[in-house]
Amino acid sequence: GQQVMQIPQYQHVQEGEDFTTYCNSSTTLSNIQWYKQRPGGHPVFLIQLVKSGEVKKQKRLTFQFGEAKKNSSLHITATQTTDVGTYFCAGPRNNAGNMLTFGGGTRLMVKP
Amino acid sequence: KAGVTQTPRYLIKTRGQQVTLSCSPISGHRSVSWYQQTPGQGLQFLFEYFSETQRNKGNFPGRFSGRQFSNSRSEMNVSTLELGDSALYLCASSSDFLAEAFFGQGTRLTVV
Repeated sequence: GQQVMQIPQYQHVQEGEDFTTYCNSSTTLSNIQWYKQRPGGHPVFLIQLVKSGEVKKQKRLTFQFGEAKKNSSLHITATQTTDVGTYFCAGPRNNAGNMLTFGGGTRLMVKP
Repeated sequence: KAGVTQTPRYLIKTRGQQVTLSCSPISGHRSVSWYQQTPGQGLQFLFEYFSETQRNKGNFPGRFSGRQFSNSRSEMNVSTLELGDSALYLCASSSDFLAEAFFGQGTRLTVV
C-alpha cells in the first residue's frame, strides 16, 4: 500500500537557524498537504500543493512539491520558538475521497 | 464559524468495555474522517463518511465502526476495548473532495 516517509524524525535547532523536513511517497500524489501539530494540540492545516514543481511561501515557510509529485519539502528560515511542534506531510491515498496517508512527522525543537 | 468539535475530550475505560466518540464537523462540511494517533504508529486513517455513507475504510479491525447522521455529525464506536486502543482519536472535516482537513481537538482514550 501507499507509504509516506518523513525525515528527519527529530530536529533540534538554535533559534535563528534554518530547518528543513523532507517527505517521500511510494506513489505519485494528486496533491500533498502539510500540517503542524503543537505539543498537546491537534494537527492544523498549513498548505496544499497540487502542481508538479510547485513552490509556495508563507512568510518564513517555503513548501516545494517535486517534479514527479512523489516528494515534498518544508523549509523554515530563521526559526523562532513559536515554530516548535511536529510537522506532518500527508497525501491522498486514492482518488475516491479524503483518505490521507500521513508521514511520521518531524518534531522540531527550538532552543532560545 | 465554529470549528470541529469532539466530545468527550478525555475518557478512561476498562478492557472489554465499549466506547462511543462524537464529532460535529464545520457547518457545511459533509466529509468527516477519523484518525487514530499513537506515539508508535503515528496518524492512521480509520474511516471517512460522506453524506451518511462510509466512503473509505482503513486497516482496522471490525471492532472499530462509525456512522454519520443527516446533519453530518459523526460517531465512532470501539467495542471490546484493548489496551492497545489507548490513543488520541481525531476527527477531521473537509468541505470537498481532496480538500484540506480541519481537525478537532481530539478525544484522548485511555484503556486500563
